[in-house]
Amino acid sequence: EVRLVESGGGLVQPGGSLRLSCGVSGFDFSDHWMGWVRQAPGKGLEWVAIIKKDASEKYYLDSVKGRFIISRDNVKNFLFLQMNTLRAEDTADYYCTRGSYRPFSYYYMDVWGKGTTVTVSS
Amino acid sequence: SYQLTQPLSVSVALGQMANITCGGNDIGRKSVHWYQQKPGQAPQLVIYRDTSRPSGIPERLSGSSSGNTATLTISRVQAGDEADYYCQVWDSTTVVFGAGTKVTVL
Repeated sequence: EVRLVESGGGLVQPGGSLRLSCGVSGFDFSDHWMGWVRQAPGKGLEWVAIIKKDASEKYYLDSVKGRFIISRDNVKNFLFLQMNTLRAEDTADYYCTRGSYRPFSYYYMDVWGKGTTVTVSS
Repeated sequence: SYQLTQPLSVSVALGQMANITCGGNDIGRKSVHWYQQKPGQAPQLVIYRDTSRPSGIPERLSGSSSGNTATLTISRVQAGDEADYYCQVWDSTTVVFGAGTKVTVL
C-alpha cells in the first residue's frame, strides 16, 4: 500500500522554525518527484515546494523562497520541509505529495498524505 | 504569473450532471489536473492530463479542455460527490491551483 505520513507540525511563535517530515512506503521513493502543498484554515490549496528525484532541482512558492528548504533522504525514504522565519500567514495544514512530472509539459500530485497542522501564533 | 479561475460554487440536483469550469489563458495548450477534497479529508487526484482517471475513480467523472476553459463533468451526481474541486496546471516552474469550487448536491 502506498503511504505518505507527515509529522512535525505544531504551535510555533512568529519568527520561529519547524521541520516537517514525511515518511514514505509502498513505492520506489527515489523514482518520484515529491512536494508539499498547504491549506490555510477555510482556504484553498497552495503549492509550497517540489523536489526532483535526486534533489538536483527544487522549486518554491515565491513567498517561502529564502525561508523554507525542501530536502529528501532517498535511503531512509523521507521528505522534509525546513521552515524558518515563520509568519502567521504560514499557518496551515501541510500535505506531503508524490509528483508525476514531464519536462515542459506537466506536474501533478497523484498521492497525498493526510497532512500535519502548523500554527504560527504568539 | 498564470492564473486559473473557477466558480466559487456549483449546485446540482441528485442524479443530474455538474460541470465545473476552470478558466485560464490558452489553457487548452496546457495539461490540466483535478482534485477532489471532501470535508475533513486530504485532496485526491480525480483527473490527470485533461482526461485520464486514476484507478478507482468512477467513469462518471470526466475531464475536457479546449481554448481558454477546462471542464470537470460529474454525471449522475451522487450525495458522495459533494466536495471542493480544484483544477491545477504546471506553468514553467510553478504549480498553479485554481481557488476551488464547492459542489453542493441538492
